[in-house]
Amino acid sequence: DTEVTQTPKHLVMGMTNKKSLKCEQHMGHRAMYWYKQKAKKPPELMFVYSYEKLSINESVPSRFSPECPNSSLLNLHLHALQPEDSALYLCASSQIGAGLYQETQYFGPGTRLLVL
Amino acid sequence: AQSVAQPEDQVNVAEGNPLTVKCTYSVSGNPYLFWYVQYPNRGLQFLLKYITGDNLVKGSYGFEAEFNKSQTSFHLKKPSALVSDSALYFCAVRALRLGSQGNLIFGKGTKLSVKP
Repeated sequence: DTEVTQTPKHLVMGMTNKKSLKCEQHMGHRAMYWYKQKAKKPPELMFVYSYEKLSINESVPSRFSPECPNSSLLNLHLHALQPEDSALYLCASSQIGAGLYQETQYFGPGTRLLVL
Repeated sequence: AQSVAQPEDQVNVAEGNPLTVKCTYSVSGNPYLFWYVQYPNRGLQFLLKYITGDNLVKGSYGFEAEFNKSQTSFHLKKPSALVSDSALYFCAVRALRLGSQGNLIFGKGTKLSVKP
């Protein structure tokens, strides 16, 4: 089973709202990722968690706040977003093995976010 | 720095014909290369990867890719295209991040269109 689930599938929010995106995997992966993808563009990395600790933050604005409450869950808390933040938000996970960079990342279906 | 290039924005193929989607890479050290496919409004699905060993890598759905070190290429191929192969294809290289899981760096994507 290589399934990563994300909820909700779609989200519409105003610029003053607070919302959260959720990601879950039960593959025993200890690395989890958030990517942002604009239409017809490649995904761009936002955050990486390794063993439930934030290991990479790609200078993402503080209106995006990640959280990894346990090894299976990854959240992205959203607050005071801008219309240009509208995009597909993808979660991914991978094992952490001896070959650090060899492990495959498995992606969820994404949450399509629209900020009005 | 690691990077990948996909020189074609779109590839058009007739059903039943062979297809090739091109990818070239630039890395320092050993390359860890991946191909993903994305159907409309969906997440990314893993097709195959090259880590080491045999230059011809076989993956899901009948796809294969040939690693060519001298040409720094990792082209995706399929002997006989299906209409259902029509999608957006991303080549990716694993970024080497000291002390952390490396994220994926994606090419800009190639839209494959297979006509009946």
